[in-house]
Amino acid sequence: AQRVTQPEKLLSVFKGAPVELKCNYSYSGSPELFWYVQYSRQRLQLLLRHISRESIKGFTADLNKGETSFHLKKPFAQEEDSAMYYCALRFTGTASKLTFGTGTRLQVTL
Amino acid sequence: ETGVTQSPTHLIKTRGQQVTLRCSSQSGHNTVSWYQQALGQGPQFIFQYYREEENGRGNFPPRFSGLQFPNYSSELNVNALELDDSALYLCASSQSGSSYEQYFGPGTRLTVT
Repeated sequence: AQRVTQPEKLLSVFKGAPVELKCNYSYSGSPELFWYVQYSRQRLQLLLRHISRESIKGFTADLNKGETSFHLKKPFAQEEDSAMYYCALRFTGTASKLTFGTGTRLQVTL
Repeated sequence: ETGVTQSPTHLIKTRGQQVTLRCSSQSGHNTVSWYQQALGQGPQFIFQYYREEENGRGNFPPRFSGLQFPNYSSELNVNALELDDSALYLCASSQSGSSYEQYFGPGTRLTVT
């Protein structure tokens, strides 16, 4: 069965400090991994996906198949990065079902 | 372009009752997925509809059912409500094919007392 684990419920960092939100997954096939973000009073939205290999809002994430991880990183945290972050996995089945982790709240303080 | 909308925003039901939640997909999208998000948890996949047919289902009992209409809007029906059904219900729409991004609605907060 596929599973996504986000070990931290809350990550608090100072503005300008590096950020790493951890995500590990278990899946026997070739997964597609995503990071979704939910800012305060806004809906869930896609931040980035591993296949596009983009940097969005300064965030990057590299899929490490050996460690089955997809950690989200940003070198310098900004106040506006404070939000709830969800890691999600999708496999190519009959439905494009997303399996989400439990989420990590990132709090960036001055 | 109109985003995904859901109605109602909130509702309160009593255990044993039935509820219908509604979702209008984003313009140009023909696929709708429903998710349940319990407090402190990530969204859990309930099912997906594509061209009015169920196209995949998560680990939810049959009392969770759905419909998709010709205009691609969708309903989620839950019968015999239980206290554990209290959650935020999210709808997401996308174009067909797994490579397309899912766009989420704001959700409906259901409280079962």
